[in-house]
Amino acid sequence: GAVVSQHPSRVICKSGTSVKIECRSLDFQATTMFWYRQFPKQSLMLMATSNEGSKATYEQGVEKDKFLINHASLTLSTLTVTSAHPEDSSFYICSARDFGRVTYNSPLHFGNGTRLTVT
Amino acid sequence: TQLLEQSPQFLSIQEGENLTVYCNSSSVFSSLQWYRQEPGEGPVLLVTVVTGGEVKKLKRLTFQFGDARKDSSLHITAAQPGDTGLYLCAGGSNQAGTALIFGKGTTLSVSS
Repeated sequence: GAVVSQHPSRVICKSGTSVKIECRSLDFQATTMFWYRQFPKQSLMLMATSNEGSKATYEQGVEKDKFLINHASLTLSTLTVTSAHPEDSSFYICSARDFGRVTYNSPLHFGNGTRLTVT
Repeated sequence: TQLLEQSPQFLSIQEGENLTVYCNSSSVFSSLQWYRQEPGEGPVLLVTVVTGGEVKKLKRLTFQFGDARKDSSLHITAAQPGDTGLYLCAGGSNQAGTALIFGKGTTLSVSS
């Protein structure tokens, strides 16, 4: 089945540094990937829609200069948290739909998430 | 903006009990999906329902999509400790490239 790989699974960084998270679709092409953020025991909040070869679309309230998204190929999207602060600590999850079977009822395939802790 | 209201938010029950989780919206969705998520992992798809009134069963789990495609329910029969987790409903549109809208989730704890 379709697999989305997310790396790293955990990262601890110091305040003020930047962290890059990679999201790869391993056995399918994804023109669109989605980045979500999740706080403990809460649901997934959509941060942005990553479009291959074009600019990402950010949800209201998400700082595009802080959360840089690059979708350079059909199988890779990256999220860079710039100048991270403790309040950026969260669980970040990427997801993608199978490009070859994009229908309205095709499910999202999720990565296993990245636990970011900013000290 | 489409919103999904999911209830209850937290549920703590004993092994063997039955439970129902509800997902409601004022908007019509082309499809509705249920996911289960374990701590520290990404959500895993349980089922997709697309037709109004549709009922799907997955072992002890029964999923229903409302006739008007605005609501859905998840019923678990004889819950087991292994059912513990975060259950998420998510609504989809018929436009490719659009993200799913997630409910707030139901944290289920089943104790033995």
